[in-house]
Amino acid sequence: GDSVTQMEGPVTLSEEAFLTINCTYTATGYPSLFWYVQYPGEGLQLLLKATKADDKGSNKGFEATYRKETTSFHLEKGSVQVSDSAVYFCALGVTGGGNKLTFGTGTQLKVEL
Amino acid sequence: SAVISQKPSRDICQRGTSLTIQCQVDSQVTMMFWYRQQPGQSLTLIATANQGSEATYESGFVIDKFPISRPNLTFSTLTVSNMSPEDSSIYLCSVEVGTYGYTFGSGTRLTVV
Repeated sequence: GDSVTQMEGPVTLSEEAFLTINCTYTATGYPSLFWYVQYPGEGLQLLLKATKADDKGSNKGFEATYRKETTSFHLEKGSVQVSDSAVYFCALGVTGGGNKLTFGTGTQLKVEL
Repeated sequence: SAVISQKPSRDICQRGTSLTIQCQVDSQVTMMFWYRQQPGQSLTLIATANQGSEATYESGFVIDKFPISRPNLTFSTLTVSNMSPEDSSIYLCSVEVGTYGYTFGSGTRLTVV
């Protein structure tokens, strides 16, 4: 079945540091890939997505590229802020037809001054 | 994207009681998904609710414990029945919206004492 593997956290960075959160996946077919963010005490928000190989999703300075050859969708940001502290979830799903999302375990990011 | 109103946002309940969680979507959707997020864990799909038919439950989840209603294309409820402390989790509803992907409600943080 489909699965998503994320790097374990917590990841602790200083403000303005470079961020990478690794995500790899196993899937049948051609899923879309997503990054969701969960701020403390809140629900999930879609951060970015990519629907096919070589697509790059981007939002709020975060980027991730759909790499079919390495089955990866790593999340990057060039300069993190304290306000980026949250839990980040990588997920995959085949859009259309009411298919569920499969989530990774989540990576907690803490950004310190 | 769709907007989902989920309530209650949080509750503290006595063991042995039941809690009903509601999700209202601002547009008509075919499928609604219910997820559970146990403390420090990722999201696990409980069931998929299609209007006009019984919900489809994932392995490990049963209708007697998590009855779901889906009376129309914009509304669904999930009941957590005969609660125990192990049911303490965040419960989230989600819908798929065209090519946008998946939108989540803000979650219901349940504590069973």
